[in-house]
Amino acid sequence: EIVLTQSPDTLSLSPGERATLSCRASQSVSSTYLAWYQQRPGQAPRLLIYGASSRATGIPDRFSGSGSGTDFTLTISRLEPEDFAVYYCQQYGSSPVTFGPGTKVDIK
Amino acid sequence: QVQLQESGPGLVRPSETLSLTCTVSGGSISNHYWRWVRRPPGKRLEWIGYIQYSGSTNYNPSLKSRVTLSIDTSKNQFSLKLSSVTAADTAVYYCARDFPGTSALDIWGQGTMVTVSS
Repeated sequence: EIVLTQSPDTLSLSPGERATLSCRASQSVSSTYLAWYQQRPGQAPRLLIYGASSRATGIPDRFSGSGSGTDFTLTISRLEPEDFAVYYCQQYGSSPVTFGPGTKVDIK
Repeated sequence: QVQLQESGPGLVRPSETLSLTCTVSGGSISNHYWRWVRRPPGKRLEWIGYIQYSGSTNYNPSLKSRVTLSIDTSKNQFSLKLSSVTAADTAVYYCARDFPGTSALDIWGQGTMVTVSS
């Protein structure tokens, strides 16, 4: 199975700053079948990005995804207070679907 | 707006069968793929399996021998059964829907905590 690693484990930033989160796969993810999720405490994960770079419905354009092969990036251009949360990547190009361990974005 | 809600016992005895149901409201269960995902304490999310509205299924190989998914389109529900549970099956269990045309998950239930303990 494809193992996903995310870095950093924690990202401490201030509102208004730019956040760059990394997701690396142990094997190439076919057809950029890579998604990103946001999870706030006590809530279910929320789909942000699918197909590596397509924003899900209702997701603000400050969220963007890029990458291919084994290296993917989620960028939040300017952090809003509600963006402090945990972010997960998921690959769905190879069965079984697998998830990364998450990156926590917290307030500096 | 489609919503999902998990239901089932929060405590299961070791060696017994964990049973959960996901109720779909605000939309039809037809023409979609439906998944179960879990997160054991301190570990990453783990895909359990999916079921299509037609009833076809696919399971994570690591759990395949113990998992059964079913669907009841008349009730707009799908269900998970996990047999011979151990403490390692303690987790928050989520049901979710595939974003059409992908296996990204666009709608999730709130999740339900299931503890395996005697």
